[in-house]
Amino acid sequence: NAGVTQTPKFQVLKTGQSMTLQCAQDMNHNSMYWYRQDPGMGLRLIYYSASEGTTDKGEVPNGYNVSRLNKREFSLRLESAAPSQTSVYFCASRPPQGRYGYTFGSGTRLTVV
Amino acid sequence: EDKVVQSPLSLVVHEGDTVTLNCSYEVTNFRSLLWYKQEKKAPTFLFMLTSSGIEKKSGRLSSILDKKELFSILNITATQTGDSAIYLCAVVPLYGGSQGNLIFGKGTKLSVKP
Repeated sequence: NAGVTQTPKFQVLKTGQSMTLQCAQDMNHNSMYWYRQDPGMGLRLIYYSASEGTTDKGEVPNGYNVSRLNKREFSLRLESAAPSQTSVYFCASRPPQGRYGYTFGSGTRLTVV
Repeated sequence: EDKVVQSPLSLVVHEGDTVTLNCSYEVTNFRSLLWYKQEKKAPTFLFMLTSSGIEKKSGRLSSILDKKELFSILNITATQTGDSAIYLCAVVPLYGGSQGNLIFGKGTKLSVKP
């Protein structure tokens, strides 16, 4: 099925470990996003990419890096995980002109101990 | 600072009740407002509202936008247990370089009891 695919679905890290969250979309969307969702905080934008080769910081970028590998893929990297990064992470993509709303991946539940 | 405020934050009703969820916003150069439903996993798109006063409807759900008073409501009639979810409101501002980024409210958690 067309959509946004995120991997992994669950991950437990120790403080200081690194990992990369993968995201791919097959809808030929230009814009892609990484959000984190914490209880009582709603969805907050970490980074976004308006097109292949460009990335920009969102509301909460500290402790993260991103790569827009090609039009399909947008990865999020935690270089040195901290307990404050325990969260649910969502990748999303947006069609041109935002006609139909964003499409979200199924999320990655990350726990940093 | 742009912000989106949803109320109430949580709500418990019984099947058959009608509920109204609220979303107010303070956003420079408003472009559109979106409603999402989030059950266990990813948010799923419900409505996008751009014009004031035009109701969007899908089954028992409907939504309307008031651009003068800067708010939107989401109505659910004859609620069912399957409507239990977090309902998210998000606004798309229109300013240079933002690329249409969504600004989310904190959500309303709706619980429908049988």
